[in-house]
Amino acid sequence: QKEVEQNSGPLSVPEGAIASLNCTYSDRGSQSFFWYRQYSGKSPELIMFIYSNGDKEDGRFTAQLNKASQYVSLLIRDSQPSDSATYLCAVCPSGTYKYIFGTGTRLKVLA
Amino acid sequence: SQTIHQWPATLVQPVGSPLSLECTVEGTSNPNLYWYRQAAGRGLQLLFYSVGIGQISSEVPQNLSASRPQDRQFILSSKKLLLSDSGFYLCAWGWDEQFFGPGTRLTVL
Repeated sequence: QKEVEQNSGPLSVPEGAIASLNCTYSDRGSQSFFWYRQYSGKSPELIMFIYSNGDKEDGRFTAQLNKASQYVSLLIRDSQPSDSATYLCAVCPSGTYKYIFGTGTRLKVLA
Repeated sequence: SQTIHQWPATLVQPVGSPLSLECTVEGTSNPNLYWYRQAAGRGLQLLFYSVGIGQISSEVPQNLSASRPQDRQFILSSKKLLLSDSGFYLCAWGWDEQFFGPGTRLTVL
């Protein structure tokens, strides 16, 4: 069964620090990778997607993909209390329209 | 720009009652549409997805069904709700990236 694994946390970081969130996946044929942020009681919001090995930066966010090791990570620089949320990793295996979601990592940024 | 709507926002229903949740997308054509359920403190479970009008793929056969009567309309239904159907129901649209609606919080009592 295809799986996406995330540490549930909570991951606590001080304000201004770098938060590092990790995700591993089992389907080696996966082609598309996504990070969503979900505030408590709200729907998930897409913050990053990455398709190729390496790094992709967007503002304070950097997504890193290593297909050989089957992991994808999200770095949040200069973390703010407003970044406190659950971060969901999603993987789309090749040849399918379906995402497989991890259960999420709860991030707490301490002021 | 594209917008996705879901209603109602919250719903409290007795066990055994029917259910109908609606999702509509604006500003795009022929999107892939998805229904997910998120139980309290849990991950997202894909229930149904559709790549076109009248086409539905089911991931969770149980007592739920879905329909896509129009290109940008997706409906989730049940004839008889169970306690285990409680959760946060999310509709999403997209092709490569998926974008979620605001969700419906369903409590079955």
